[in-house]
Amino acid sequence: AQSVTQLGSHVSVSEGALVLLRCNYSSSVPPYLFWYVQYPNQGLQLLLKYTTGATLVKGINGFEAEFKKSETSFHLTKPSAHMSDAAEYFCAVRGEVNTGNQFYFGTGTSLTVIP
Amino acid sequence: ETGVTQSPTHLIKTRGQQVTLRCSSQSGHNTVSWYQQALGQGPQFIFQYYREEENGRGNFPPRFSGLQFPNYSSELNVNALELDDSALYLCASSLPRVFGETQYFGPGTRLLVL
Repeated sequence: AQSVTQLGSHVSVSEGALVLLRCNYSSSVPPYLFWYVQYPNQGLQLLLKYTTGATLVKGINGFEAEFKKSETSFHLTKPSAHMSDAAEYFCAVRGEVNTGNQFYFGTGTSLTVIP
Repeated sequence: ETGVTQSPTHLIKTRGQQVTLRCSSQSGHNTVSWYQQALGQGPQFIFQYYREEENGRGNFPPRFSGLQFPNYSSELNVNALELDDSALYLCASSLPRVFGETQYFGPGTRLLVL
């Protein structure tokens, strides 16, 4: 079975500082991993995804994530935080074929950017 | 290209009532998934429809049911509403698993059960 764990339900960074949001996954098959962002009162927007190939993936708005199989991690980073990055971030893993192709989401990390 | 749309945006119901939520998938996508997102939680998978058939179901009771139409739009029906059904309901569309892996989400319907 698949699952993801997001360490830190709340993260605060200063504007211009490094953003690091942590995600660890559990999967019995090679995982497909995703990061989504959710702004207040909105749906989820895809930031980036890892399927196969290059382990460092780049997404929108300057975010990137690195798939580390040995650490079962897929942490999200951004070199310099912007005020507009304040939002809820969700890590997700795609389920196996017999799960109906569902996504398993973490509980989310709320990012606050301090001016 | 039209994105995923959902209606209504907000809904207030009382316990015991029934509700229908609607979703139009992104152009070209024939697979629709529904998720429930309770306050402060991540989305939880309800079920998925592919070519008008249910293609997987999460841990939700039978009073949660759905439909998919020939144009790939979808409905989520919830009977006998309970207070705990209050949540944001998200619809996501995608291609079939073998052709793509990304789910694209709509803005959601916020349901409040009183």
